[in-house]
Amino acid sequence: AQKVTQAQTEISVVEKEDVTLDCVYETRDTTYYLFWYKQPPSGELVFLIRRNSFDEQNEISGRYSWNFQKSTSSFNFTITASQVVDSAVYFCALSGGNTGTASKLTFGTGTRLQVTL
Amino acid sequence: AAGVIQSPRHLIKEKRETATLKCYPIPRHDTVYWYQQGPGQDPQFLISFYEKMQSDKGSIPDRFSAQQFSDYHSELNMSSLELGDSALYFCASSRAVGQGSLDTQYFGPGTRLTVL
Repeated sequence: AQKVTQAQTEISVVEKEDVTLDCVYETRDTTYYLFWYKQPPSGELVFLIRRNSFDEQNEISGRYSWNFQKSTSSFNFTITASQVVDSAVYFCALSGGNTGTASKLTFGTGTRLQVTL
Repeated sequence: AAGVIQSPRHLIKEKRETATLKCYPIPRHDTVYWYQQGPGQDPQFLISFYEKMQSDKGSIPDRFSAQQFSDYHSELNMSSLELGDSALYFCASSRAVGQGSLDTQYFGPGTRLTVL
């Protein structure tokens, strides 16, 4: 069974601070995919980033960066110079890739990020 | 870019009534997923379809059924509604990219169902 753990339930930061959201996962699949989604107060789920299990290269995309470490089963997400518009619930999600098609997402319980002025 | 369309956006029903939620995937996406998100909870997978065939089933009650049509849109039918069915229902779509690979799921805005 797959499992995603987001130990941080809520984080509060002041604008322009950097913030890292933690994610730890469990899976028996040899190929899998990790995602971060953002859910702002309006309720929609917005795709942010994706990482394949066979690619541990960490990248930066604008103010977003991520640290994928297979050895510790972690997929942490960092927002640099946070802004008030970043306030949302952030979900880490896992999908197995062995079946190829239509693989469901298993979500963590989410981390609520509050960015204040 | 076109996104996933869900209708209606809001729905209010009485207990024991039925409801039908509709989902129109992103063009050229052939896979549809349904998720249920209760208040303060993470989304839970209900069911998915690939090329009009059910491909996976999660914690979907027997009172719920779903299908994917020839134009790839999907409908989630919910009968004998209970208070506990009040939730945000998301549809997501993706493209099948072959065995051993996976495309990203893009979510619609959700349908907020309230059962009174």
